[in-house]
Amino acid sequence: LAKTTQPISMDSYEGQEVNITCSHNNIATNDYITWYQQFPSQGPRFIIQGYKTKVTNEVASLFIPADRKSSTLSLPRVSLSDTAVYYCLVGASDSSYKLIFGSGTRLLVRP
Amino acid sequence: GAGVSQSPSNKVTEKGKDVELRCDPISGHTALYWYRQRLGQGLEFLIYFQGNSAPDKSGLPSDRFSAERTGESVSTLTIQRTQQEDSAVYLCASSLGLGTGSNYGYTFGSGTRLTVV
Repeated sequence: LAKTTQPISMDSYEGQEVNITCSHNNIATNDYITWYQQFPSQGPRFIIQGYKTKVTNEVASLFIPADRKSSTLSLPRVSLSDTAVYYCLVGASDSSYKLIFGSGTRLLVRP
Repeated sequence: GAGVSQSPSNKVTEKGKDVELRCDPISGHTALYWYRQRLGQGLEFLIYFQGNSAPDKSGLPSDRFSAERTGESVSTLTIQRTQQEDSAVYLCASSLGLGTGSNYGYTFGSGTRLTVV
């Protein structure tokens, strides 16, 4: 079973910052937290990964508090092309080798 | 190759027929995963390979599903006696590292869209 909880959907407008939070209360000590983006009819695409504190790359930032029980994906100044489903990923409860995706967050960016 | 390649991209088959879906991972990637995604749904974990070995097959939906990997490269997912509920997109992903204890992300292919009629 998935170990993550995310909002089912979010709406935003172009140019706004979007923050999507994922809860993973039972994250394993050695688990990294990874976020993926999926467009219709495509496979998921790696966005960002982190273990603790803050990670930033050219497309997003990832904030992880000290207890690591949640993480927040931050998308600065979203555009219409950021409309997609976003998944956070940690290991399964019985094995960190089984990558179990949750239901994801469907982000809709409006003009 | 530059990315994960899956073939065929689309497959229409008659109920009861067998199908083989192929995944060519990125060269050198030891970890390989298969997922199923039904229309409008999330990703359902099927199986993973560490090298050519599949230590955990519990995610396979039934004994009609099987998978193998050879040469730590190509993987094939076989569905025997297909049923209409098998209709879905089957996605493959590969990585240098295995599992979420690794700091390597996973690269997904574009999937095979299977339609059972």
